[in-house]
Amino acid sequence: EAQVTQNPRYLITVTGKKLTVTCSQNMNHEYMSWYRQDPGLGLRQIYYSMNVEVTDKGDVPEGYKVSRKEKRNFPLILESPSPNQTSLYFCASSSSGTDTQYFGPGTRLTVL
Amino acid sequence: AQSVSQHNHHVILSEAASLELGCNYSYGGTVNLFWYVQYPGQHLQLLLKYFSGDPLVKGIKGFEAEFIKSKFSFNLRKPSVQWSDTAEYFCAVKTSYDKVIFGPGTSLSVIP
Repeated sequence: EAQVTQNPRYLITVTGKKLTVTCSQNMNHEYMSWYRQDPGLGLRQIYYSMNVEVTDKGDVPEGYKVSRKEKRNFPLILESPSPNQTSLYFCASSSSGTDTQYFGPGTRLTVL
Repeated sequence: AQSVSQHNHHVILSEAASLELGCNYSYGGTVNLFWYVQYPGQHLQLLLKYFSGDPLVKGIKGFEAEFIKSKFSFNLRKPSVQWSDTAEYFCAVKTSYDKVIFGPGTSLSVIP
């Protein structure tokens, strides 16, 4: 089944404790992206990647890192999480930057 | 700055009423336009998209949207809504730099 998977689905952590949210797709898509969804703000793009080893900043990249060492995986790293990063995070992929994005189920992160 | 605005934060309609959700964007270059829907507890999924050609595009479940370039608008319409259309609707724009910008979303509640 074609899908985008994210882990974990729910995470509660404390300020400053490094964490990684994994994202994997099995559709051989070149384009992958991370978003955060906050009430009243919609989805805001954090980082995106056009292909392996090619990443670029979205609208809200501060406090986040990404890597794209393999085509299928695009982990989101929070080196030192803060409470303002409490949010719902979505990973998405598409066959190119112009095509339909397929979204993962979301990761709800709470930073205390 | 590039942005996407949606006219209504929350819309409440009775079944069989007509729907129009407004979307405007601010970006002067070539754009690809999307409407995504998020049903309660589900992933975001594509309703329809516009890349080029006929500015009136048809999507799934009887939805359609019209791209009016001079107005920087991409409004979503459905002639007769059903209770099952209750969801959050997001307009999105992909810029020529491959960034994707989402609007803040419109929550639609359809009353049986």
